[in-house]
Amino acid sequence: GEDVEQSLFLSVREGDSSVINCTYTDSSSTYLYWYKQEPGAGLQLLTYIFSNMDMKQDQRLTVLLNKKDKHLSLRIADTQTGDSAIYFCAERGGGGADGLTFGKGTHLIIQP
Amino acid sequence: AAGVIQSPRHLIKEKRETATLKCYPIPRHDTVYWYQQGPGQDPQFLISFYEKMQSDKGSIPDRFSAQQFSDYHSELNMSSLELGDSALYFCASSSGGGYGNTIYFGEGSWLTVV
Repeated sequence: GEDVEQSLFLSVREGDSSVINCTYTDSSSTYLYWYKQEPGAGLQLLTYIFSNMDMKQDQRLTVLLNKKDKHLSLRIADTQTGDSAIYFCAERGGGGADGLTFGKGTHLIIQP
Repeated sequence: AAGVIQSPRHLIKEKRETATLKCYPIPRHDTVYWYQQGPGQDPQFLISFYEKMQSDKGSIPDRFSAQQFSDYHSELNMSSLELGDSALYFCASSSGGGYGNTIYFGEGSWLTVV
């Protein structure tokens, strides 16, 4: 079945860039997503990328997709304390209302 | 902008009881998904509906059932509750039968089974 892998923790200093990495196994993935979850809160859609793209930028967020290596990354520029959260990578396979497969989530820790 | 609305936000049930969670998708969204997130875990896909028909099925226990109604809201029914069912239950919605690329999640319903 599909599998999505992420590092569990990432620690960065305030003002630096954060890069959160994700690998997936499903070669038929159509869309790949990044969600943010703050403690006790819901899942906030940050951004997504279609599988035929290799990069997408949205303000401080840059998503890079290497489809050959099945590697996805999320770069957050000028990381702020409000960015402290768990970041989930998720992939969707074929068409229809298929459910997303999530990674375990990366805890982003911001050092002052 | 209107978001996905879930109710109740919190509920506490005893073992072997029944619980029902409700989800109201974003207006004009025709597809609803249910996910379960255990403590410290990633969300696990349970089931989805498109235009009131079940579309995809994940790791939903046989004790659980769900449906989507004519107004597109959905309900997740959980019976014979077990301690392990304690989790955060998310509903999400999208449009276009899932071919839409944006899937938005609600704030979740916290279920505690004691």
